Amino acid sequence: EVQLVESGGGLVQPGRSLKLSCVASGFTFSNYGMNWIRQAPGKGLEWVAYISSGSSYIYYAETVKGRFTISRDNAKNTLYLQMTSLRSEDTALYYCARRFLNWGQGTLVTVSS
Amino acid sequence: ETVMTQSPTSMSTSIGERVTLNCKASQSVGINVDWYQQTPGQSPKLLIYGASNRHTGVPDRFTGSGFGRDFTLTISNMEAEDLAVYYCLQYGSIPYTFGAGTKLELK
Repeated sequence: EVQLVESGGGLVQPGRSLKLSCVASGFTFSNYGMNWIRQAPGKGLEWVAYISSGSSYIYYAETVKGRFTISRDNAKNTLYLQMTSLRSEDTALYYCARRFLNWGQGTLVTVSS
Repeated sequence: ETVMTQSPTSMSTSIGERVTLNCKASQSVGINVDWYQQTPGQSPKLLIYGASNRHTGVPDRFTGSGFGRDFTLTISNMEAEDLAVYYCLQYGSIPYTFGAGTKLELK
């Protein structure tokens, strides 16, 4: 069974940093591109970033480009999202997804003073 | 950026009804469209990929169609468990973009 478990969310002040993790199991992690998607409270879905299976291709939404960094460790079956210069508008539930086939339950990031 | 416009924003339906949800892309995306279902408190679930392919385990009352700019998700025989928010996603060009969603409610 495919499982994606996000962690690392929490309450953080504006301008600070946070690193999210997503541990994958139930499939060959190194074979799949991965995405981060977020959902602000009561709002719709917003794609954040993509990384290819071997990390050769990386793409970001304009809203996070230059502030967020997606990465992965295939030996640890883990996907990361390093978030810097956080803003209140980054407050959301952050999901990782295997391509877009399977999604985790999300980790909540709240940016507030 | 390809904007995905979903209509209607919300819809009141009845059990057993046929429901049609629409998604229009601001530019052609070929068949690179997925449909997702999200129930309250749950993560989105893939229903349809590649515009018309039903994901594993999805009931056959869900049908996707379309190509280019216009896409449709049809629920042929509405069930109570189908009350949810439905999102389309285009992955034909970066940035990937979601529609704003259609919420299905009971009449």
